[in-house]
Amino acid sequence: QKEVEQNSGPLSVPEGAIASLNCTYSDRGSQSFFWYRQYSGKSPELIMSIYSNGDKEDGRFTAQLNKASQYVSLLIRDSQPSDSATYLCAVNPPGGGGFKTIFGAGTRLFVKA
Amino acid sequence: GAGVSQSPSNKVTEKGKDVELRCDPISGHTALYWYRQSLGQGLEFLIYFQGNSAPDKSGLPSDRFSAERTGGSVSTLTIQRTQQEDSAVYLCASSLAPDSPLHFGNGTRLTVT
Repeated sequence: QKEVEQNSGPLSVPEGAIASLNCTYSDRGSQSFFWYRQYSGKSPELIMSIYSNGDKEDGRFTAQLNKASQYVSLLIRDSQPSDSATYLCAVNPPGGGGFKTIFGAGTRLFVKA
Repeated sequence: GAGVSQSPSNKVTEKGKDVELRCDPISGHTALYWYRQSLGQGLEFLIYFQGNSAPDKSGLPSDRFSAERTGGSVSTLTIQRTQQEDSAVYLCASSLAPDSPLHFGNGTRLTVT
């Protein structure tokens, strides 16, 4: 079982719709959870971090965390073509010397104009 | 402020040669990571440095790969006797603390001919 699992997609949504991206993780001791966006040919960039159960909103983005279900999600409201990218879920499970960040394989999102 | 700096941005080498990739993290960041990303694939964890702790080398794919971090700052990833399957983008990232978000450099694109 992979430590962090994501549906590889591609996920295709029309402009203006809500895009829902999901991620599950295996280590119950995980403390920190992140969503990164990676445009083709570019490095990942942080868009959301979440540390406690519930929802966290930032503009059009909402991260949701359910530690009991070991589930993290990212909602993108009013999706725009510029949101088309690969979204990487990242988790910090306990590791030697401290927590280290493990990434899922990413979900490719296409927003159609 | 200055971000994570990686050099060179591109490296073409012949099979069997050794290469060194450099990463200069954000000043004050205690954690430093190396990842590898092949075309169209996710991020593959290679090695993790945290403060003065022994590095987590669990992701290094073979003994041809090694990395060091001098003075808790600059890191060098060395690949000996390069093979064609080593061709990928090598990404370095740093974070302020073990459970903090990562800041990525622009990567080094390695091509082994």
